[in-house]
Amino acid sequence: NAGVMQNPRHLVRRRGQEARLRCSPMKGHSHVYWYRQLPEEGLKFMVYLQKENIIDESGMPKERFSAEFPKEGPSILRIQQVVRGDSAAYFCASSPRGSEKLFFGSGTQLSVL
Amino acid sequence: SQQGEEDPQALSIQEGENATMNCSYKTSINNLQWYRQNSGRGLVHLILIRSNEREKHSGRLRVTLDTSKKSSSLLITASRAADTASYFCATDAGGNEKLTFGTGTRLTIIP
Repeated sequence: NAGVMQNPRHLVRRRGQEARLRCSPMKGHSHVYWYRQLPEEGLKFMVYLQKENIIDESGMPKERFSAEFPKEGPSILRIQQVVRGDSAAYFCASSPRGSEKLFFGSGTQLSVL
Repeated sequence: SQQGEEDPQALSIQEGENATMNCSYKTSINNLQWYRQNSGRGLVHLILIRSNEREKHSGRLRVTLDTSKKSSSLLITASRAADTASYFCATDAGGNEKLTFGTGTRLTIIP
């Protein structure tokens, strides 16, 4: 059973471009979470999704950021018109229904030039 | 606001010694979890303790929870070089099945 898969591992974008981060949860996991981590800091919650539904997006900036978890395919975190402050590691985690434990991917390191 | 605050922020000990990290939180919880993060990698779940439990063991790990003080501690006994990592506590106080993470303790084991 493969773990949580995130790609790309590293993503470089220029200011104003769009960044798309992908996350394939573990098989059988219906819950997906996105977190952001700045250097030397903890993880900050961004959004929690179930298939085709956004359950909690209280940690998502109101503008430029969006997330989806379609019926088929990976979850996507999309950042439009990136700025230097978006540079961070973005982690996806998944869990099966009813589980309190999260399984994390290896993250996507976004660098905005 | 950050729910969990770990201390110390950084800890260096000799291999074979015990390492203790602490976590404080602000609001009521159903459970508290500890995760480990190796440099450049995702977090790995270590142990979960429920609000009605006071202590839990898993291998060389011992976790305590004091809900009256809103604090938890993680003890790693007989440390090894491979234990070098950052350790985070996480609580479910944020609701909606999401975890809120602390700021972490960077543990370095000196061979």
